[in-house]
Amino acid sequence: EAQVTQNPRYLITVTGKKLTVTCSQNMNHEYMSWYRQDPGLGLRQIYYSMNVEVTDKGDVPEGYKVSRKEKRNFPLILESPSPNQTSLYFCASSEVGEETQYFGPGTRLLVL
Amino acid sequence: AQSVTQLDSHVSVSEGTPVLLRCNYSSSYSPSLFWYVQHPNKGLQLLLKYTSAATLVKGINGFEAEFKKSETSFHLTKPSAHMSDAAEYFCVVRNYGGSQGNLIFGKGTKLSVKP
Repeated sequence: EAQVTQNPRYLITVTGKKLTVTCSQNMNHEYMSWYRQDPGLGLRQIYYSMNVEVTDKGDVPEGYKVSRKEKRNFPLILESPSPNQTSLYFCASSEVGEETQYFGPGTRLLVL
Repeated sequence: AQSVTQLDSHVSVSEGTPVLLRCNYSSSYSPSLFWYVQHPNKGLQLLLKYTSAATLVKGINGFEAEFKKSETSFHLTKPSAHMSDAAEYFCVVRNYGGSQGNLIFGKGTKLSVKP
């Protein structure tokens, strides 16, 4: 089954404790992206990647890092999480040039 | 720069009545526009997309949207609401600044359906 998976689905952590949210897709897509969703703000893009070793900032990249060492994986790294990063995070993927993005199920993060 | 504005944060309809979710866009280019739906505690699912072909676009679950360049609008409609349509709906424009470009989401419209 074609899908985008994220882990963990739920995470509670404390300020400053490094964490990684994984994202994996099995559709051989070149393009992958991370979004955060906050009430009343819709989804905002954090980072995206056009292919392996090619990443770029989205609209709200501060406090986040990403890497793209393999085509199927695009982890989101919070080196020193802060409470304002409490949010719902979505990973998405698509073919380059393809309009439709496929979204993962979301990761709900609470930073205390 | 591209942007989208969803004109209503919350719309409430009765089951069996028409649905209208409004979206206006701003784009320097010929835009690609989408509607995504998010059911409670679920990920996002593509409802329909406009990519400069027919201006009336049909999507899944009986939804459709009409691209009106003169009004810079892309409103989502459905003739008859069903209880299962209760969800949050996002109007989205593709941003063509940069390389492939990213998606720019509206702030969402929560649709409630009353029995």
